[in-house]
Amino acid sequence: GNSVTQMEGPVTLSEEAFLTINCTYTATGYPSLFWYVQYPGEGLQLLLKATKADDKGSNKGFEATYRKETTSFHLEKGSVQVSDSAVYFCALISTSGTYKYIFGTGTRLKVLA
Amino acid sequence: GAGVSQTPSNKVTEKGKYVELRCDPISGHTALYWYRQSLGQGPEFLIYFQGTGAADDSGLPNDRFFAVRPEGSVSTLKIQRTERGDSAVYLCASTGVNNEQFFGPGTRLTVL
Repeated sequence: GNSVTQMEGPVTLSEEAFLTINCTYTATGYPSLFWYVQYPGEGLQLLLKATKADDKGSNKGFEATYRKETTSFHLEKGSVQVSDSAVYFCALISTSGTYKYIFGTGTRLKVLA
Repeated sequence: GAGVSQTPSNKVTEKGKYVELRCDPISGHTALYWYRQSLGQGPEFLIYFQGTGAADDSGLPNDRFFAVRPEGSVSTLKIQRTERGDSAVYLCASTGVNNEQFFGPGTRLTVL
């Protein structure tokens, strides 16, 4: 079945550091890939998405590229801020068959001033 | 409404009781999903509806869990004979363009 694996946290960085959160997936067909973010005390919200191979999703300085050859969708940001502290979830939806969403376990990011 | 709403925000019940959790999706969204999220985990898929019908209920853990969406809008997740292991945050999401999910704030269920 489909699955998502993301690096375990917590990840602790200093402000302005470079961020990478790894995400790999297993899926049949051609899934769409997503990163969702959950800020403290708030609900999940979409951060970025990519719907086909080689697409790059970007938002708020974050980027992720859909790599079919390595089945990966790593999240990156060049310079993190304290306000980026949150839990980040990688997710996929298969667009063949059932439109069932699969989420990773989440990676907690803490950015220190 | 502007977003997905869920009621109640918190529910405390006793083991063996029946509970209903409600989700009101964004108007016009035809797909509605239910998830369960335990502490430190990602959302675990339970069921999703396309219109009034359950398109995939493979995530429901057992027959104590049931969900309905009779008019294709509001949905209710029903849990019979609750157990302590059912304690979690139950999330609802409705889906917009390009399968983007809009999540509600969740219902925190505590079974004593």
